[in-house]
Amino acid sequence: SQQGEEDPQALSIQEGENATMNCSYKTSINNLQWYRQNSGRGLVHLILIRSNEREKHSGRLRVTLDTSKKSSSLLITASRAADTASYFCATDALQAGTALIFGKGTTLSVSS
Amino acid sequence: DAGVTQSPTHLIKTRGQQVTLRCSPKSGHDTVSWYQQALGQGPQFIFQYYEEEERQRGNFPDRFSGHQFPNYSSELNVNALLLGDSALYLCASSPTGNTEAFFGQGTRLTVV
Repeated sequence: SQQGEEDPQALSIQEGENATMNCSYKTSINNLQWYRQNSGRGLVHLILIRSNEREKHSGRLRVTLDTSKKSSSLLITASRAADTASYFCATDALQAGTALIFGKGTTLSVSS
Repeated sequence: DAGVTQSPTHLIKTRGQQVTLRCSPKSGHDTVSWYQQALGQGPQFIFQYYEEEERQRGNFPDRFSGHQFPNYSSELNVNALLLGDSALYLCASSPTGNTEAFFGQGTRLTVV
């Protein structure tokens, strides 16, 4: 079963615009991560935010976490065509080891 | 550093057959996890190996089994293949207790 649900399922924007995608999850977590996947290949780790953190930045990425609402958002600023990919949030359930539970993903399309 | 390598990249099998997929983890990583990703879905956790033992298992039938070798490499075996087993199989490695996972490029399995 899927732990998380990303929203929206698909997002189309122009280069230079910002892209925001959201993730909701069901159980208490240790941390939440975002991954990117290009064309159905391997996933690339983008950023990890711990349950006691509220916001984290990495380059053009900004992630927020609201554990009271069990939700997270990923903001990509000044999008580029190379950002076109599927984005997944992944959580590890508290006290359930390090297995990751993924949502269904948001497909981002950035056109030039 | 070679990263996580998986073989083969593509595979076509007939229903009822058995298949073995292989994974070499990133250097220094001793934990290997396997995920199944159906088309249009997020990855689903199959199981995780550490110190040559299955440490965690997702909701997959016993037809899915695995092995980890002393050099930390791993195999995923699937018996009695079903059409529904067609998917991208992803291997991920991480250091002990670290949930940030490094993924291979995956093996695309097609069951006909």
